[in-house]
Amino acid sequence: DTEVTQTPKHLVMGMTNKKSLKCEQHMGHRAMYWYKQKAKKPPELMFVYSYEKLSINESVPSRFSPECPNSSLLNLHLHALQPEDSALYLCASSQPGGTGELFFGEGSRLTVL
Amino acid sequence: AQSVTQPDIHITVSEGASLELRCNYSYGATPYLFWYVQSPGQGLQLLLKYFSGDTLVQGIKGFEAEFKRSQSSFNLRKPSVHWSDAAEYFCAVDLLDQGAQKLVFGQGTRLTINP
Repeated sequence: DTEVTQTPKHLVMGMTNKKSLKCEQHMGHRAMYWYKQKAKKPPELMFVYSYEKLSINESVPSRFSPECPNSSLLNLHLHALQPEDSALYLCASSQPGGTGELFFGEGSRLTVL
Repeated sequence: AQSVTQPDIHITVSEGASLELRCNYSYGATPYLFWYVQSPGQGLQLLLKYFSGDTLVQGIKGFEAEFKRSQSSFNLRKPSVHWSDAAEYFCAVDLLDQGAQKLVFGQGTRLTINP
């Protein structure tokens, strides 16, 4: 199984809502990532978890809250978002230690009204 | 600062023609370089990667790339494109932060294929 599965594929939320994006992989990877991709732009790194511990936070606003409950799951909790947070959110996984391939999910397309 | 530049925002080629997508990097040490492809509404798929050794790297779907240190380039090539190659292509450098991969992507090149 070489898949990274993201749910939901599409999400529409108001600025006062609380929602979560979920990501799952069963490749035994111990590094998991959240990227944000705006239209016609490259992906930008948000968070990295390595062995279930947050190792990189790219100065992301606190309205985005990541969580890694176990080695297969990665969540992104969303609260009080702004319309400019509308984007494609991509999850990826890899083996820690670098030099390997990142496996990306198909993304969750978020629209904030 | 480490960065990746893709000079061409959009390229159009005819089906069956050859293709070269340009990528230039700025990095102090020997870079780990990647090419990813993204079809509309999809995630990213790795085409090929360079870490060390042979400077001509073979990838999936008939793509290859050549690392040229003297030119700080890692251009992607394909001898004959197919309509299914239409997609967005991203060059990336891995900054390797705290044992985790930290990919920095170029702005991307959108490839259109004429029938």
